Amino acid sequence: AQKVTQAQTEISVVEKEDVTLDCVYETRDTTYYLFWYKQPPSGELVFLIRRNSFDEQNEISGRYSWNFQKSTSSFNFTITASQVVDSAVYFCALRASRSNDYKLSFGAGTTVTVRA
Amino acid sequence: EPEVTQTPSHQVTQMGQEVILRCVPISNHLYFYWYRQILGQKVEFLVSFYNNEISEKSEIFDDQFSVERPDGSNFTLKIRSTKLEDSAMYFCASSEGYRVSNQPQHFGDGTRLSIL
Repeated sequence: AQKVTQAQTEISVVEKEDVTLDCVYETRDTTYYLFWYKQPPSGELVFLIRRNSFDEQNEISGRYSWNFQKSTSSFNFTITASQVVDSAVYFCALRASRSNDYKLSFGAGTTVTVRA
Repeated sequence: EPEVTQTPSHQVTQMGQEVILRCVPISNHLYFYWYRQILGQKVEFLVSFYNNEISEKSEIFDDQFSVERPDGSNFTLKIRSTKLEDSAMYFCASSEGYRVSNQPQHFGDGTRLSIL
């Protein structure tokens, strides 16, 4: 069974502050994939980033960066210099690499509010 | 950029009625999915579909639900006899066929289903 836990329910910051979202996952698979999705107030789900379990290199993409620590089963996501448009619910998701099991297991989401 | 398209954006239906939610996945994608999100809750997997058959389904996807790919472009979710608890946002998603577990699922904007 797979499980994703996002312990932070809500985070509120002032514009230009950095925001780090925590994600802890559980899986019995040795190979798996992790994703972050954003759900703005308009409701759509937008893919942000993906990480393979066999690649622990952390990266930066624009104002987004992520910290994947396999030893602690964590996949944290940081927004640098937050903007009001970053206000959304952010979901961490996990997928196994087994065939016929491609479903995404989502965390409960973290609501980020960026105040001007 | 190609998008997953869902119609209608909002559907209001009387309890007990049948409803069909429609989706046009991204054209070169081979895997299709339905998820739902009850208001304020996490996104839950319903079903995945590949090669004209269901590849996986969740406990939520009981006999009241069915999926179909009636032609080369549409992917539909039918709820036969709606219940109040079916009220939710329903998301369609699709992903590429190559190394599918590594590929992100791209989501449509969702259909908000309201059962009265």
